[in-house]
Amino acid sequence: AQSVTQLDSQVPVFEEAPVELRCNYSSSVSVYLFWYVQYPNQGLQLLLKYLSGSTLVKGINGFEAEFNKSQTSFHLRKPSVHISDTAEYFCAVRYRSGGSNYKLTFGKGTLLTVNP
Amino acid sequence: DGGITQSPKYLFRKEGQNVTLSCEQNLNHDAMYWYRQDPGQGLRLIYYSQIVNDFQKGDIAEGYSVSREKKESFPLTVTSAQKNPTAFYLCASSLGTGGYEQFFGPGTRLTVL
Repeated sequence: AQSVTQLDSQVPVFEEAPVELRCNYSSSVSVYLFWYVQYPNQGLQLLLKYLSGSTLVKGINGFEAEFNKSQTSFHLRKPSVHISDTAEYFCAVRYRSGGSNYKLTFGKGTLLTVNP
Repeated sequence: DGGITQSPKYLFRKEGQNVTLSCEQNLNHDAMYWYRQDPGQGLRLIYYSQIVNDFQKGDIAEGYSVSREKKESFPLTVTSAQKNPTAFYLCASSLGTGGYEQFFGPGTRLTVL
């Protein structure tokens, strides 16, 4: 079964500092990868996605992620965070083919708190 | 504006009562999904539907039921058989099921007293 591990449940940082949110997944076969952001009491919003092609993916709000197939990782980065980036971030993975073609598997989330 | 609407935003029910959560989308998406979110648990899939009049159980379907009579609508009923129904429920949709990102509604917070 697919699994997604977000290594840090909480990440506190100061404003304008860089941040990396880590995500590892279990499958070694072709996957589609996503990062979502959730603000308090709201739904999820897509930040970025990897389907194929370049391993460095740029998303909204200045975020980017790098797909590393050998390490089965898809870490999210931002060079300089703002107070408004405070939110929970979810990594999600879906197989490109196979029996689980229609589902996303989510990590448990990382709460990013940006302090002034 | 196209999007997904969920109603109500907050819902309170007494233990033992069935309750139905609404989800409507005007994105012309074929696939729709229901997730449950608990603190520290991430999102867990309850049911999903790829086309009208068809739906499949997800990972935690027990105590829940759905219908998909129209492309735009995918209501979720939380039955009295669900042992711990208090949670945040999210509805999502996607254009298809092969690689397309899912778009999420704003969620319904259900509290069972």
